[in-house]
Order: sequence, then C-alpha cells, then structure tokens
Amino acid sequence: GQSLEQPSEVTAVEGAIVQINCTYQTSGFYGLSWYQQHDGGAPTFLSYNALDGLEETGRFSSFLSRSDSYGYLLLQELQMKDSASYFCAVRDTNAGKSTFGDGTTLTVKP
Amino acid sequence: ETGVTQTPRHLVMGMTNKKSLKCEQHLGHNAMYWYKQSAKKPLELMFVYSLEERVENNSVPSRFSPECPNSSHLFLHLHTLQPEDSALYLCASSQDGTSGYNEQFFGPGTRLTVL
Repeated sequence: GQSLEQPSEVTAVEGAIVQINCTYQTSGFYGLSWYQQHDGGAPTFLSYNALDGLEETGRFSSFLSRSDSYGYLLLQELQMKDSASYFCAVRDTNAGKSTFGDGTTLTVKP
Repeated sequence: ETGVTQTPRHLVMGMTNKKSLKCEQHLGHNAMYWYKQSAKKPLELMFVYSLEERVENNSVPSRFSPECPNSSHLFLHLHTLQPEDSALYLCASSQDGTSGYNEQFFGPGTRLTVL
C-alpha cells in the first residue's frame, strides 16, 4: 500500500526557518509534491521534485532524496500568512493522481 | 470563470435527500478528481476520471455516484447519506499524459452537512 508520514503540527516564530519532513513508502514513485491549504480554503500547489536535490522557489524550497524515500519543505523568513496546513503528495503513477500525506499544521507566532 | 469552480459552496441535506455537487474546470485539463476532506483529516481520494473514463474508485460507498459527461464537468450525486459523510468535498483537475509533473488545481470545495 501507500503511506506517507509527516509531522502533525509545527510551530515557529515570524522570521524563522522551518522544515517539514515527509517520508514515504509507495509501490511506485514519479515525484514528490507539496501543497498548502489555508483554513477553509482549497489546497494550492507549491512545488514538485522528481529528481534528487533542492528546488527553490522564493522563500520556499523543497528537497528530495529518492534513495532515502524522504523529502522536506523548507520555509524561510516565515510570515504570519504562512500559517496553514502543508501536505506532501507522492505521484505514484505516470498519471496526475497523487497520494496525499495527512498534512502538517504550521502555526507562525509573532 | 477561470480555474476550477464548484457549486454549491455550502449544502445542508437530510439523510433521505438526493442532491448533486457540480464541478467545472476551465483549464483544458483531461483528468478530474473528487476528494473528501473531513475535519482535521487528510485528503481522501474518492474518484478519478481521465479522458472522461473512471480510472479509479477508492472503495467509496454506493451512496456516492460520480458522473463525468465531458472533460470539463464532473458531478457527484448524493443519496441517502449518513451524518459521517459531512465533510468538505473538493474537486480537482490536472493534465495527464504529458511529461513532467502536472499539478492538480483544486476548486474551493463544497461544505456538506448531513443532518
């Protein structure tokens, strides 16, 4: 079966850096993606890694190690608006379908 | 309209009612999805349609019945639901069959309450 593990909650202060880890066990692997969901809103796409290494997009970066079945989302210069749930998702086929993790609730405090 | 739209945004229904959720995508995508998201729980994939054919049905009870009449529209027909079916129902779309990652674009969701 498919399983993804990520911490349920993370708390950090404004301006800090936070890393949200994701480990996965899936029958197939084409890539790891990250989505952000604010309370009451729809998930929105943040990043995707198909190959090992770090992908940077502004204040957000995402890392993948396929040999370790592990990835993380790095958020820098945290802002209050970054308070949200963050989901990792594995694309396990050559189609758009992904299996989502349980989500990590990030709380940014002043 | 742009992106993925869903109607209604909020729905309250009794257990004996029949209702339908509608999703429309204006992105030219060829795959559409229904997800259920209960309070403080992860996204649960319910159905996947690719090129208007159902390619996945994740052991969803028969009281949920999807319909995909064309690549832009997706419906979820509801009948004799249970209170535990109360949740946020999200629709998403993506473009399958091309190289690279095709991110899923989500609609705003329908907040369903079953009394």
